[in-house]
Amino acid sequence: GENVEQHPSTLSVQEGDSAVIKCTYSDSASNYFPWYKQELGKRPQLIIDIRSNVGEKKDQRIAVTLNKTAKHFSLHITETQPEDSAVYFCAASMVGGGADGLTFGKGTHLIIQP
Amino acid sequence: DGGITQSPKYLFRKEGQNVTLSCEQNLNHDAMYWYRQDPGQGLRLIYYSQIVNDFQKGDIAEGYSVSREKKESFPLTVTSAQKNPTAFYLCASSDRLTGEELFFGSGTQLSVL
Repeated sequence: GENVEQHPSTLSVQEGDSAVIKCTYSDSASNYFPWYKQELGKRPQLIIDIRSNVGEKKDQRIAVTLNKTAKHFSLHITETQPEDSAVYFCAASMVGGGADGLTFGKGTHLIIQP
Repeated sequence: DGGITQSPKYLFRKEGQNVTLSCEQNLNHDAMYWYRQDPGQGLRLIYYSQIVNDFQKGDIAEGYSVSREKKESFPLTVTSAQKNPTAFYLCASSDRLTGEELFFGSGTQLSVL
């Protein structure tokens, strides 16, 4: 089955700086890669996703890049703000191929230092 | 609760006891999922269901059981065979026809007495 590795487990950055979280996946058939944000005591929520037919996607201060050859994808947050503090999870799945359910990474605790 | 409701919020299990976690959604989604969340372990898939009366094991199904008698409901039973049940349990659903986004419930924290 799919295996997703996520690094780092904890990331502390100064407010206003950029943050990068990296994930690798094992199954070359995976074609959908979402990122979820979970604030303390709340449910995970989708913040951005990318499919294997594109290499990069942006939404305001967040962006995701995908390298299919190397089987890794990254989340980039620019101009970090206090409200960006949360746990971020990457995930991978194969849409339309019979496999179901997302395989998640173990999460990155992002801390924004004032 | 954003269309997907889990209850109870907190649950305590005694040794040898089976407990059932409730998950209800009014989003008209076909697919429903149960995930287990442990600190530092991410979210691990227990069971999923794409359609009524059908469900599949996920990565950590041992010690758990589910049913899907109605589209809106996907209860999870933690049986006495699950020796380490203390965790945060998240139910989710998705509309596989329009996208893969998972919509999560607010979770149930299960602890052992």
